[in-house]
Amino acid sequence: DGGITQSPKYLFRKEGQNVTLSCEQNLNHDAMYWYRQDPGQGLRLIYYSQIVNDFQKGDIAEGYSVSREKKESFPLTVTSAQKNPTAFYLCATTGTQPGANVLTFGAGSRLTVL
Amino acid sequence: GQNIDQPTEMTATEGAIVQINCTYQTSGFNGLFWYQQHAGEAPTFLSYNVLDGLEEKGRFSSFLSRSKGYSYLLLKELQMKDSASYLCAVLLGYSGGGADGLTFGKGTHLIIQP
Repeated sequence: DGGITQSPKYLFRKEGQNVTLSCEQNLNHDAMYWYRQDPGQGLRLIYYSQIVNDFQKGDIAEGYSVSREKKESFPLTVTSAQKNPTAFYLCATTGTQPGANVLTFGAGSRLTVL
Repeated sequence: GQNIDQPTEMTATEGAIVQINCTYQTSGFNGLFWYQQHAGEAPTFLSYNVLDGLEEKGRFSSFLSRSKGYSYLLLKELQMKDSASYLCAVLLGYSGGGADGLTFGKGTHLIIQP
């Protein structure tokens, strides 16, 4: 079935460690996004990529990095520079017209820093 | 800055009707989305309004008034499975399509009681 796979679902990290969250899609969508969700807050955009080998910072990119070497994959690295990384991370895609603005989300990865 | 307001929490009774409001003040407007998110899961798309008026989709309807900066999501014949958070999101007037210009409200947690 077509969809977005995020892994791991749950991740624990010690302070000072970098971690990488995986996002793989088989929807053949061009654009991919990473959002962060905190309790009582709206989804906030971290990074997005509209084509392979290109990506743009979102509203809260500091302390994060991404790559887009393949159309299907958009991994997010949470670096030790991210001061408050405990959150629920959502990967999403958008396809082509019509509905090019409609986000399809993965199931999410919950990161906890110990 | 962009401002999107929704009630934090609402409670309704199974079989009844509930209306979730969303007001926005944004620097641009290119459409308004509603997403449903069950606890710990990914958001799923419910509706998209770009023109004024009511869009009906089964038990769910969404209304938009651009002049008032106002939208609502109407849920009829409520079922227990409708207990979820409902996210309002405004697409700003960014060029290039996609969802990079999407700003989310904090979400409304809807509790359905028997």
